[in-house]
Amino acid sequence: GENVEQHPSTLSVQEGDSAVIKCTYSDSASNYFPWYKQELGKRPQLIIDIRSNVGEKKDQRIAVTLNKTAKHFSLHITETQPEDSAVYFCAASGDYKLSFGAGTTVTVRA
Amino acid sequence: SQTIHQWPATLVQPVGSPLSLECTVEGTSNPNLYWYRQAAGRGLQLLFYSVGIGQISSEVPQNLSASRPQDRQFILSSKKLLLSDSGFYLCAWSVLAGRVNEQFFGPGTRLTVL
Repeated sequence: GENVEQHPSTLSVQEGDSAVIKCTYSDSASNYFPWYKQELGKRPQLIIDIRSNVGEKKDQRIAVTLNKTAKHFSLHITETQPEDSAVYFCAASGDYKLSFGAGTTVTVRA
Repeated sequence: SQTIHQWPATLVQPVGSPLSLECTVEGTSNPNLYWYRQAAGRGLQLLFYSVGIGQISSEVPQNLSASRPQDRQFILSSKKLLLSDSGFYLCAWSVLAGRVNEQFFGPGTRLTVL
């Protein structure tokens, strides 16, 4: 089955700086790569996703890149703000199931 | 638009007691449905998924079971809870379109087993 690894497990950034989270996957058949943000005590919320036929996607301060050859994808958050503090999960899917990374706790320091 | 409901929101149960958590989806037909568990400070563990009424796939052998009696209803059960069953239980739905499995989570049930 699919195995997704996510790094780093924790990330502390100064407000206004950028944050980058990286994930690798094992199954070359995976074709959909979403990112979820989970605030404390809340449900995970889908914030951005990318499909295997696209190399990069951007939505305001958030961007995701995908390298199918190397089987890795990354989340980039620019101009970080305190409300970006949360746990972020990457995932990969090729069928009915999503395989999640272990999560990255992002703390934005004011 | 689609809405997903879970209840109860919180639950405190003694060890050895039964469990029934319910999830319903509105605004879509024939969704794929999922149960995840999240231990405190941990990631998302897929427990069960269902692609149709009466069709249940189990991902992790344990003392939990799932049922899908109706198209948009998914139930998680246990006959006897263990301390290790404590966690945040999340139901999710998706509609597989062009092999893209965009999943959306319900508000979750926080279960504490004492």
